[in-house]
Amino acid sequence: EAQVTQNPRYLITVTGKKLTVTCSQNMNHEYMSWYRQDPGLGLRQIYYSMNVEVTDKGDVPEGYKVSRKEKRNFPLILESPSPNQTSLYFCASSYAGGPDNEQFFGPGTRLTVL
Amino acid sequence: DAKTTQPPSMDCAEGRAANLPCNHSTISGNEYVYWYRQIHSQGPQYIIHGLKNNETNEMASLIITEDRKSSTLILPHATLRDTAVYYCIVRAGNTGTASKLTFGTGTRLQVTL
Repeated sequence: EAQVTQNPRYLITVTGKKLTVTCSQNMNHEYMSWYRQDPGLGLRQIYYSMNVEVTDKGDVPEGYKVSRKEKRNFPLILESPSPNQTSLYFCASSYAGGPDNEQFFGPGTRLTVL
Repeated sequence: DAKTTQPPSMDCAEGRAANLPCNHSTISGNEYVYWYRQIHSQGPQYIIHGLKNNETNEMASLIITEDRKSSTLILPHATLRDTAVYYCIVRAGNTGTASKLTFGTGTRLQVTL
């Protein structure tokens, strides 16, 4: 089944403890992206990747890192999480980065930083 | 990206067609209209997209006015499982950061018995 998977689905952590949220897609998609969703603010893009080893900042990249060493994986790294990074995170992928390519979303990761 | 305006909520009886409107009066010629929905806090689900012509797939139909300033998403036979927040998104016609999807507040569709 074609899908985007994220792990973990739920995570409670403490301020400053490094964490990684994994994202994997099995559709051989070139484009991958991370969003966060907060009440009243909609979904905002954190980082995106047009292809392997090509990443760039989205609208809210502060406090996050990403890497794209393989086509299928696009992990989101929080080096020193803070409470304002408590949010619902979604990974998405599409065949390519153009506007005529629909993005498919993962199930989400609910992160709480205490 | 052009802004979109959607009603905050709509009701629809099960089995009837749900027609969700969207205004995007500032849309430019190379911008696409996309529709996604989100059920509870699940990942947004792609429904349909189009540029100028009307589009239909197994989930829905997208009707875009000739001047492209508005569109309507049609769910032909709504079921309870279609209860969700529906987002109309105008997406720029180039790559890079423009590939992002900018979600507004959407329309909360409630399908009832």
